[in-house]
Amino acid sequence: QKEVEQNSGPLSVPEGAIASLNCTYSDRGSQSFFWYRQYSGKSPELIMSIYSNGDKEDGRFTAQLNKASQYVSLLIRDSQPSDSATYLCAVWASKIIFGSGTRLSIRP
Amino acid sequence: SAVISQKPSRDICQRGTSLTIQCQVDSQVTMMFWYRQQPGQSLTLIATANQGSEATYESGFVIDKFPISRPNLTFSTLTVSNMSPEDSSIYLCSVNPGQGQNIQYFGAGTRLSVL
Repeated sequence: QKEVEQNSGPLSVPEGAIASLNCTYSDRGSQSFFWYRQYSGKSPELIMSIYSNGDKEDGRFTAQLNKASQYVSLLIRDSQPSDSATYLCAVWASKIIFGSGTRLSIRP
Repeated sequence: SAVISQKPSRDICQRGTSLTIQCQVDSQVTMMFWYRQQPGQSLTLIATANQGSEATYESGFVIDKFPISRPNLTFSTLTVSNMSPEDSSIYLCSVNPGQGQNIQYFGAGTRLSVL
């Protein structure tokens, strides 16, 4: 059974701080890795994709991938209240598998 | 990316009836998917909608309950048949536009309540 594991949270972070979201996956053959943001009552929105080891930055978001450790993370710098949402980690290996999501709350 | 239109956005249905959800994409896509998301839960893949052939269902989902059509590369429907309150959920259409990146985009979803 291919799995994607995330801490369900809630993760509470003060406004302006760095939020760190983590994800592990079981299939070593996984090739593509994604982070989706889902606001309550809305559908998932792709915010980051990463395909090779290392860091990928896009604005306040940085995705980090370590295939040897089967670990992918998302850092959100200068966290804003609008970042409060559930973040879904997704991994593709012949099909996409979603984690259960981490609920992030940014406190003013 | 892809622009995905899903309708209806929400509906309230009576037990024993059926509802058909439509998904329209603004470009031709090879792969379309249907997901269910129950309150507070993550996404569960129902099936992959294959153009010109029968959908591929995941374990726990059957064609009699969730018939799917995919008449062309831009459109698909999911029917929730003989509904019960346990079918109350959000149903999401998703597409992979191709281009080798394995990215999936989602429609806005259909919020279904069954009384």
